[in-house]
Amino acid sequence: GNSVTQMEGPVTLSEEAFLTINCTYTATGYPSLFWYVQYPGEGLQLLLKATKADDKGSNKGFEATYRKETTSFHLEKGSVQVSDSAVYFCAPGGSNYKLTFGKGTLLTVNP
Amino acid sequence: DVKVTQSSRYLVKRTGEKVFLECVQDMDHENMFWYRQDPGLGLRLIYFSYDVKMKEKGDIPEGYSVSREKKERFSLILESASTNQTSMYLCASSPRGSGANVLTFGAGSRLTVL
Repeated sequence: GNSVTQMEGPVTLSEEAFLTINCTYTATGYPSLFWYVQYPGEGLQLLLKATKADDKGSNKGFEATYRKETTSFHLEKGSVQVSDSAVYFCAPGGSNYKLTFGKGTLLTVNP
Repeated sequence: DVKVTQSSRYLVKRTGEKVFLECVQDMDHENMFWYRQDPGLGLRLIYFSYDVKMKEKGDIPEGYSVSREKKERFSLILESASTNQTSMYLCASSPRGSGANVLTFGAGSRLTVL
């Protein structure tokens, strides 16, 4: 089955800093790739996705590019805000309805 | 606003009790999932269902069962709760087809077993 390794946290940044959260995966074939985010006290929600190699997913200022050669899908944001404080999960998709989630990276952004 | 609703946000139960966690979605989704979330372990899939009365084991089904009698409702059952089942439980749903990996999650049910 699929597996995913994402950068361990916690990550603490100051407002307006640059963010990178690394994610690499192993999978059969070329699955769609996802980043989910969990804000405090809430369930997860989809942040962005990419469905094929070299696609760039983007949402709320976050971006991630599907890199087939390196089997990576790193999450980036140029200028983080306090409201971005959350747990971020990388997840390669599965053909049998099953997503495989990474362990999550806690991001704290200080004013 | 479409949503997945979990009936209880917080539960406290005793060892050996039977526990029901209920989840309802209003999006007419075919797929429903139960995950547990633990610090340092991320999300682990317990069971999922791709249709009414259908269920499939996830990665950690031991100690759990599920029921899906109606399309909108997916219940997780702990037959005899144990302390190692203290966790956050997340329900999710998704449509069939190309959107199957786009999950909508509930807010979670935090279960403490004493």
